[in-house]
Amino acid sequence: QQQVKQSPQSLIVQKGGISIINCAYENTAFDYFPWYQQFPGKGPALLIAIRPDVSEKKEGRFTISFNKSAKQFSLHIMDSQPGDSATYFCAASAGGTSYGKLTFGQGTILTVHP
Amino acid sequence: DAGITQSPRHKVTETGTPVTLRCHQTENHRYMYWYRQDPGHGLRLIHYSYGVKDTDKGEVSDGYSVSRSKTEDFLLTLESATSSQTSVYFCAISADAFNQPQHFGDGTRLSIL
Repeated sequence: QQQVKQSPQSLIVQKGGISIINCAYENTAFDYFPWYQQFPGKGPALLIAIRPDVSEKKEGRFTISFNKSAKQFSLHIMDSQPGDSATYFCAASAGGTSYGKLTFGQGTILTVHP
Repeated sequence: DAGITQSPRHKVTETGTPVTLRCHQTENHRYMYWYRQDPGHGLRLIHYSYGVKDTDKGEVSDGYSVSRSKTEDFLLTLESATSSQTSVYFCAISADAFNQPQHFGDGTRLSIL
């Protein structure tokens, strides 16, 4: 059962454009929503994360938008650069006794053309 | 980068053989996790540990066992490897399950023929 659905599977953007990746979740107990960036041959690295008490979080060119009522969140990459070409994963975890267990989306392969 | 070392980095083995993957951390973090990554599935949690000798099952634990005898090492064992366990395996660590992010190692690519 996939509890976090991510789209699109792949995305091609021109340098300087905006990349947008969307995720939807089902489990209303989720209260932590990180995004990870992964380069080939490497492990995922935390990019930015949000909790449901805010609707938006921005760090540099990366912004998370969060819609609690719709159970959706998205990653926006402004001024996309070729160095941003990577696979991006959204994830979610619940508090309480979840011990930080992350449920990941399927991933989005982003290609930024120069 | 967080001090996480996975070994081996690559392994090819045959169906039915036992396989053990090791995750070693130098951060003294309490929480450790094993995930597998497969195309179309993202990363899925296999097992996790919330302290020495304290482990529990994740989403896809069938066919896997783990052990954690000391803080720095978390072992993943495939007792009798099957071709469906061909995957890339990632270890992650976290200081605090609720307020701190998980940091990942660079993975072990396991092929079972």
